[in-house]
Amino acid sequence: EAAVTQSPRNKVAVTGGKVTLSCNQTNNHNNMYWYRQDTGHGLRLIHYSYGAGSTEKGDIPDGYKASRPSQENFSLILELATPSQTSVYFCASGELGGQNTLYFGAGTRLSVL
Amino acid sequence: GDKVKQSPSALSLQEGTNSALRCNFSIAATTVQWFLQNPRGSLINLFYLVPGTKENGRLKSAFDSKESYSTLHIRDAQLEDSGTYFCAGSNYNVLYFGSGTKLTVEP
Repeated sequence: EAAVTQSPRNKVAVTGGKVTLSCNQTNNHNNMYWYRQDTGHGLRLIHYSYGAGSTEKGDIPDGYKASRPSQENFSLILELATPSQTSVYFCASGELGGQNTLYFGAGTRLSVL
Repeated sequence: GDKVKQSPSALSLQEGTNSALRCNFSIAATTVQWFLQNPRGSLINLFYLVPGTKENGRLKSAFDSKESYSTLHIRDAQLEDSGTYFCAGSNYNVLYFGSGTKLTVEP
């Protein structure tokens, strides 16, 4: 079974602070994704990656950076956290196409005070 | 605008009844996935569809890529079907989500 692990599971940050959310997958998938989930919006795509060293902007990239140092790891970085970034963040990995689905982590609940 | 429009946003069903959820795509979706988010927040994959239909127990889903929509039919709704259902359409290597349907099944 595909495994995607996010850390931390919960985080409280202060406005203006730096936050790093980490994601690790053990399935050797090329593609990884960061989404945020807010009430009424479903999951919205922030950044994604096609492989180590690559990052691409999704629909709502402003205020976020991403880093893919290796096949296994994909981080989401908030350099200057704001209260509007309070949300639940999901990481996913997978190879879309054929009969392949995305595999999601359990989510990180971030509160920016 | 929204790439995936999902309806209804909320739905209440009596146990044993049937209903349908719908997603319309403004992207050229090539595949569709349906997820159920459980009370713990985990996303459970229900269906992965290329154009056509699939059935699994009391659930049936269809995807028409030419008309750019997908449906999820729930037959004989049970209490454990309650949760939030999301559809998602993929375009190249990216998956775009609808805003979800919160389903409540009542005794």
